[in-house]
Order: sequence, then C-alpha cells, then structure tokens
Amino acid sequence: ETGVTQTPRHLVMGMTNKKSLKCEQHLGHNAMYWYKQSAKKPLELMFVYSLEERVENNSVPSRFSPECPNSSHLFLHLHTLQPEDSALYLCASSQDPRTSYEQYFGPGTRLTVT
Amino acid sequence: RKEVEQDPGPFNVPEGATVAFNCTYSNSASQSFFWYRQDCRKEPKLLMSVYSSGNEDGRFTAQLNRASQYISLLIRDSKLSDSATYLCVVNSDAGYALNFGKGTSLLVTP
Repeated sequence: ETGVTQTPRHLVMGMTNKKSLKCEQHLGHNAMYWYKQSAKKPLELMFVYSLEERVENNSVPSRFSPECPNSSHLFLHLHTLQPEDSALYLCASSQDPRTSYEQYFGPGTRLTVT
Repeated sequence: RKEVEQDPGPFNVPEGATVAFNCTYSNSASQSFFWYRQDCRKEPKLLMSVYSSGNEDGRFTAQLNRASQYISLLIRDSKLSDSATYLCVVNSDAGYALNFGKGTSLLVTP
C-alpha cells in the first residue's frame, strides 16, 4: 500500500533476547527513519539515514542498534531491552530529508518486552 | 514548552458536521507543516501538506498562521470513515526531524 514494509508485525521478546526489526521501502527514496510510538506520547524520532549514512541519532540507548546496508533496507537490532521499550516501532522513508519532509510510514512492529 | 501542541479531544461529532482542529508550534523557524491521519493501531498516513496560502483537498482545508504559529484543519461534511487521530506535524530546525503532536482524536457518529 504505502510502499514501506516492516517485519515482523508483532514481536514478543524477553529482556535477554536479541532480535532484529526489518524495514524495506519500494519508493526509490533516499532517506529512512526509525520512530518509536508509545501509548499517549507523540512519535519520537530515533534514527535517520540519508543515502545509507546515519545523519541523526536522538540520544537513543545503545541497546538499539540501527543498520542501513543500502537505501532500500533498514534494520533495528535489539538486545537486552527493558519493559519500557515496549511500543510500536515505525519505519518511514522520504525522498530527501533536506528538501522533502513528506514521510511515508510502514505498518510498524508492535514490540512487547517481557 | 512542547514543540507541537494539540487538543487531544476526543471530538465526537455527528455525520455531516463540520469540525476544526488547531495546533500550535513553538519553533518560529519551522518551514514545513503537515497533517497526518492515524487509524487505531495503524501507521500514520500523510493527509495533506499545509502551505502558507492555505490549501484545500476535497472536504479538507488546512490553514497556516505564521504570526500566531498555529495550523488548523477543517473537515466539512464529516463521514464515519473520518474517525481517526489527526496528527499535526512540523519540521524542526535541525533539518531532518519532524516533530509530531500527540494527535487529536475524532469520532464521527451516525
């Protein structure tokens, strides 16, 4: 639908697990983003990649580790998470982060940390 | 002060009603403004960009008031399918980030 896909759609993990979230965009965009959406809070920007280079890291704990192997794929590697990390994790893409602010979102991964 | 502030609602309106949402932003250097729509447990979807001169898309009209730093969204002839959360979005002066409001919840009833 939106050209941005995310897997898995739902994930339950223990605090000692390691897992990865995957995002793929089919829109030919140059920038990709990770956001966190917690209940009753606005979307929080986590990371921005432009042409595979990380250009923004919003003081995210090191237990979240992004990876952008090419302009179409973005990963978020998770390890030793805390229960407060349970949230909806959204990936987005845009044509060019400097000139186009219109971002298109994937369906999100709903993460529960137990 | 929060970057983007919205009345969370909920706004409960009957079908056919006109409803308006306002949003205020704190960064006077912001240049780009948007309204996104988010359905329950779904991702945000771009509804419309907001231009300085105001813009209209069917039943939806967006206005920008730079002097007062607020943005509005007017929905005419509300449909049941308009029920959703409407997110006000403003770019930050850092270039890459978009600042999202918490959203305004709209429920259109038969």
